[in-house]
Amino acid sequence: GQNIDQPTEMTATEGAIVQINCTYQTSGFNGLFWYQQHAGEAPTFLSYNVLDGLEEKGRFSSFLSRSKGYSYLLLKELQMKDSASYLCAAMDSNYQLIWGAGTKLIIKP
Amino acid sequence: GAVVSQHPSWVICKSGTSVKIECRSLDFQATTMFWYRQFPKQSLMLMATSNEGSKATYEQGVEKDKFLINHASLTLSTLTVTSAHPEDSSFYICSARDRADNEQFFGPGTRLTVL
Repeated sequence: GQNIDQPTEMTATEGAIVQINCTYQTSGFNGLFWYQQHAGEAPTFLSYNVLDGLEEKGRFSSFLSRSKGYSYLLLKELQMKDSASYLCAAMDSNYQLIWGAGTKLIIKP
Repeated sequence: GAVVSQHPSWVICKSGTSVKIECRSLDFQATTMFWYRQFPKQSLMLMATSNEGSKATYEQGVEKDKFLINHASLTLSTLTVTSAHPEDSSFYICSARDRADNEQFFGPGTRLTVL
């Protein structure tokens, strides 16, 4: 079956770095997405990886290893506004997104 | 990035009434639109996938006669919750996929409360 695993909750300190891991199993693969979702709001797009390696975009970076079925989202210089849920989603061979349950990130001062 | 709008943003209705939610892609053509439901503190749950001009594909456990989806044009899809009940109260989110891209763009969501 298809499955996405990511930690339920993580806590980090303002100004620090945090890495949110995601492992996936899908029928076919057309890329890995990361979304940020603040409470009561719709998800917003953060990154898309389809090739192995690291994609850097400002304070956020996303890594993909297709052979390992593994991705991570790296957040640097954490700010209080980064407190949110981070959703990992893999696109299968039918171009459908398979969603993880999300990782709630709590930032402490 | 591409913009997807949803209307209304929130709605409160009495049990037994029907509610229609609109999802529009404002600056691109969306061949495929997705409808999600999210209960508090839970992840997104895909309800159905709709392709322009054809019937929607519903996920297992989602009643197609209760959640009517119409995708009549490349920029508009509607979800109608028929005979809504309190257990249908949820956050409904649509997303649209650009025909030239794999990325899904999300609408801002509609919060439905059924009394």
